[in-house]
Amino acid sequence: QKEVEQNSGPLSVPEGAIASLNCTYSDRVSQSFFWYRQYSGKSPELIMSIYSNGDKEDGRFTAQLNKASQYVSLLIRDSQPSDSATYLCAVVQGGSEKLVFGKGTKLTVNP
Amino acid sequence: ETGVTQTPRHLVMGMTNKKSLKCEQHLGHNAMYWYKQSAKKPLELMFVYSLEERVENNSVPSRFSPECPNSSHLFLHLHTLQPEDSALYLCASSTQSSGGAGGTDTQYFGPGTRLTVL
Repeated sequence: QKEVEQNSGPLSVPEGAIASLNCTYSDRVSQSFFWYRQYSGKSPELIMSIYSNGDKEDGRFTAQLNKASQYVSLLIRDSQPSDSATYLCAVVQGGSEKLVFGKGTKLTVNP
Repeated sequence: ETGVTQTPRHLVMGMTNKKSLKCEQHLGHNAMYWYKQSAKKPLELMFVYSLEERVENNSVPSRFSPECPNSSHLFLHLHTLQPEDSALYLCASSTQSSGGAGGTDTQYFGPGTRLTVL
């Protein structure tokens, strides 16, 4: 079973700060990477997808991918209390259509 | 509002009951998935259907039985469940590329069914 590892947290940041969420994966041939946000009691919703090395920015969110280090991260700038949720890293397993999820990092943004 | 709907949203059942979970996607996708989410564990893939054929069965006990009558509908039939089967069951859909290098487009999740087995 290919693994996706995340620090479970909780990660606490003050409002307006940058939140940094990290994820490592074991499958070297993975090509597709996703960040989902899950509010308590709700289903996951897609935040970002990234397929190439480097940074991808979308509003306050930046995904960073380093395939050589098997590392993907999500930065949230100007964090808001509404960003408080669990963030799930997901990686498509190489050679299959299977999406493997990490356990998630719980983020709390304090007003 | 999500393009993937699930019913019921909450279900309480005894170990001898038979019930079914329903999922419907309105996104024109060709693949559908069942996931189980338990407390403090990662999302666990249970079943994958691509073009209405089951392509993944992740060592799921036979008390869970999926059915995919068409590309828009997916069912999970439940019978003689155990209390440890209590969890959030999530349906998702995506567009899968056919053949070649493969590759899965983004999966969109339904709201889930919160199942409690007494």
